[in-house]
Amino acid sequence: DTEVTQTPKHLVMGMTNKKSLKCEQHMGHRAMYWYKQKAKKPPELMFVYSYEKLSINESVPSRFSPECPNSSLLNLHLHALQPEDSALYLCASSQASTGRQETQYFGPGTRLLVL
Amino acid sequence: AQTVTQSQPEMSVQEAETVTLSCTYDTSESDYYLFWYKQPPSRQMILVIRQEAYKQQNATENRFSVNFQKAAKSFSLKISDSQLGDAAMYFCAYRSSLREAGSYQLTFGKGTKLSVIP
Repeated sequence: DTEVTQTPKHLVMGMTNKKSLKCEQHMGHRAMYWYKQKAKKPPELMFVYSYEKLSINESVPSRFSPECPNSSLLNLHLHALQPEDSALYLCASSQASTGRQETQYFGPGTRLLVL
Repeated sequence: AQTVTQSQPEMSVQEAETVTLSCTYDTSESDYYLFWYKQPPSRQMILVIRQEAYKQQNATENRFSVNFQKAAKSFSLKISDSQLGDAAMYFCAYRSSLREAGSYQLTFGKGTKLSVIP
């Protein structure tokens, strides 16, 4: 089973709203990732959690706040977003191990529109 | 820093024919991993195939195979007997074998959009 789930599939929010994106995996993976993807572009890494600790923050604005409540869950809290934040937000997970097994598996994404 | 280049922004192939997508990369490392991901219009990124740099044998997964040329730093994807469901954006990605801050990061190419003509 290589399934990563994300909710919601679509989200429309105003610039003053607060919302959250959710990601879940039950593969026993210990690394989880948030990516932002604009149309026809590759994913851009935002955050990495390794063993429930934030290990990488790619200079993401503070209006994006990640949270990893446990090894299976990853949240992305959104507040006071800008229209340019509209994008597909992808979650991924991996074993956080060495070798060939260290492969990222992606969820279906949340399509976010900020009005 | 590593870079990944996909020089073909768009390609098309007739159904049942074979197509090859190109990918080159730049690295000073000797041990690393390479991946091809597929992203259909439904948007989920799906792992197609992966290759370990220390293996000389080219990876294959059913109709998908790679031509890995380590010295040339080339990693092309061949899709045989193309099907309509193969239409997607294909991303080539590089991963170092070195652990950075407790995780492995992927470096993606810009992608190649593949259309399959019935």
